[in-house]
Amino acid sequence: GAGVSQSPSNKVTEKGKDVELRCDPISGHTALYWYRQSLGQGLEFLIYFQGNSAPDKSGLPSDRFSAERTGGSVSTLTIQRTQQEDSAVYLCASSLLGQKGQYFGPGTRLTVL
Amino acid sequence: GENVEQHPSTLSVQEGDSAVIKCTYSDSASNYFPWYKQELGKRPQLIIDIRSNVGEKKDQRIAVTLNKTAKHFSLHITETQPEDSAVYFCAASGGAQKLVFGQGTRLTINP
Repeated sequence: GAGVSQSPSNKVTEKGKDVELRCDPISGHTALYWYRQSLGQGLEFLIYFQGNSAPDKSGLPSDRFSAERTGGSVSTLTIQRTQQEDSAVYLCASSLLGQKGQYFGPGTRLTVL
Repeated sequence: GENVEQHPSTLSVQEGDSAVIKCTYSDSASNYFPWYKQELGKRPQLIIDIRSNVGEKKDQRIAVTLNKTAKHFSLHITETQPEDSAVYFCAASGGAQKLVFGQGTRLTINP
C-alpha cells in the first residue's frame, strides 16, 4: 500500500514568511508524528497526534510552530515568521494504534533565505 | 526526559566484517528501542526493533541486543555488504509515544 507522503518535497522561503507543510499518513494509522532533522544531525521530536486525544506539543521549539490534524488523517505543520535557523528537513511519521513502529515520509526540505 | 547517546559517530569496516553500533539511554521507563537506516537523501527506514521484555532479536544479518540493567542496546551487522553503507539511528520510547533519537552513526563499508 501507499506509504507516508509529504508535500512539498522542497520549499524555499524568505525570512519572515509563513510556510505550511503537509503530511498524509498511511491509511488506517491513527498516530502521526512530526520530527525535524537539521543537516547532519539526528531527528528532533516536534509534535504527536493520537486519534482524538490532545496532541503532545512538548517538542515545538517556539510559539511560531503549530500543527493541526484534520479528520484524523492529514496533518499540516505551520511555521510563522520563518527564521534561518528553521532551515531543516521536516519529517512526518505514522503508526498503528497500539504499535510502536513508526514509518517515515520522504520529508520536506525547508530553506529559509 | 529521555536522553539517548550513540557511538561511534562514524564507523568504517571492510566488506564481510561485522559492525557494531552502541546506544545508551537514561530513562529506565523506556521500553521500545528501534533502529533506523537512512541512506543519503532518503527517509529513515525501520530495520529492526526490540522491546524491553526481550534481550536479543535477530533478522538475517542484523541483530539487536538490550541490556536493561545497564541501559544500553546495540546493533550488530554481520557479513557487511556495500549496500549497508548508510547513517544508522537508534531511538528509545517509553510511556510517551515519541521517539528520542541518538545522533546517528555513519557506516561506510569498504570493498
